[in-house]
Amino acid sequence: KAGVTQTPRYLIKTRGQQVTLSCSPISGHRSVSWYQQTPGQGLQFLFEYFSETQRNKGNFPGRFSGRQFSNSRSEMNVSTLELGDSALYLCASSLGGGNGNQPQHFGDGTRLSIL
Amino acid sequence: DQQVKQNSPSLSVQEGRISILNCDYTNSMFDYFLWYKKYPAEGPTFLISISSIKDKNEDGRFTVFLNKSAKHLSLHIVPSQPGDSAVYFCAGGSNYKLTFGKGTLLTVNP
Repeated sequence: KAGVTQTPRYLIKTRGQQVTLSCSPISGHRSVSWYQQTPGQGLQFLFEYFSETQRNKGNFPGRFSGRQFSNSRSEMNVSTLELGDSALYLCASSLGGGNGNQPQHFGDGTRLSIL
Repeated sequence: DQQVKQNSPSLSVQEGRISILNCDYTNSMFDYFLWYKKYPAEGPTFLISISSIKDKNEDGRFTVFLNKSAKHLSLHIVPSQPGDSAVYFCAGGSNYKLTFGKGTLLTVNP
């Protein structure tokens, strides 16, 4: 069974640009979550989508946005990039039904570097 | 406000012995708790979870204990193997969101 796939694996951008990251969940999983990992802050929740609807959102500025498509694939977008956005962005998927209390399974992440 | 804390940045144990990783939390609204391990350049791998209404869950060499009154959970690995060397994260889950601790680096020495 294929795992969570994130593309691209590595990305280099400059300040002020925007970026779109992609995530394909495990087949049959309808929930997709995004996290940012930095050395100082650890793993921080960005947002979660289920059936194309955002169900929860973390404490990030509006420059961070996401969406989910009808096939459960998800994208996240960061506009007006800042140096502090350099991080590993992780996507996780789960079945997502009921109260959502199922394990989330992670991809290997996209390493974003801002110059 | 760090809702999930892993107070030991690192832990070193001998192969074959028990590894005990600890985690404290402050948010009483967590419905369930999970442990993940992470190798460099890979995403976290799910290990084991426990519902907030349970006090123990076991899966092979891994056992998670939850003490709700103390807001404390622990992961026991018995016996420890060199391949268990990784960073271990605990997380609390509520409302479709996971809140992670900052991790503990476990080193299992042959």
